[in-house]
Amino acid sequence: DGGITQSPKYLFRKEGQNVTLSCEQNLNHDAMYWYRQDPGQGLRLIYYSQIVNDFQKGDIAEGYSVSREKKESFPLTVTSAQKNPTAFYLCASSILGLGDQPQHFGDGTRLSIL
Amino acid sequence: QKEVEQDPGPLSVPEGAIVSLNCTYSNSAFQYFMWYRQYSRKGPELLMYTYSSGNKEDGRFTAQVDKSSKYISLFIRDSQPSDSATYLCAMSANNAGKSTFGDGTTLTVKP
Repeated sequence: DGGITQSPKYLFRKEGQNVTLSCEQNLNHDAMYWYRQDPGQGLRLIYYSQIVNDFQKGDIAEGYSVSREKKESFPLTVTSAQKNPTAFYLCASSILGLGDQPQHFGDGTRLSIL
Repeated sequence: QKEVEQDPGPLSVPEGAIVSLNCTYSNSAFQYFMWYRQYSRKGPELLMYTYSSGNKEDGRFTAQVDKSSKYISLFIRDSQPSDSATYLCAMSANNAGKSTFGDGTTLTVKP
């Protein structure tokens, strides 16, 4: 079955530590996205990528970094510069990426600070 | 002010009720409108996808878009306990490269 796989499901980070969240898709989609979801605040866009080796900042990119070396993979690194990283992180993908196609989502990674 | 405002809820209804979920927006460039359903601890899944103004029906779900009023709605007929979830509206402009989401409305359907 085609879909998006996010791992791990739960992740714990110590203060001052960088962590990387994995996102892999086998839908052959061109575009991939990372969102952060906090209670009562909906989805906020962190980074998105429309093609390999290219990505753009979303609304809340500070303290995060991404790479897009392969079409099927779009890992997100939460750096120590992100002062409030506790949240539910969602990865999504879509055909093309022009904004006119719906997105398919993974089941998220819940990040917590120890 | 946010580009997309969604009725905050939470909403609690008895089984069998008709549910109306609503979003308003300010960006007149939005042409593509989506409703997603998100169960607890899961990613959102696409429910309805519409282009421009008009109605679209899929089983018990009807999506309405009124571009002149910048207002979209999702109606759920004969609501079931399995419809209990958070519903997110989303919209995008042509060639935007991204969508803008509402904050979600949490619905509980009581047996």
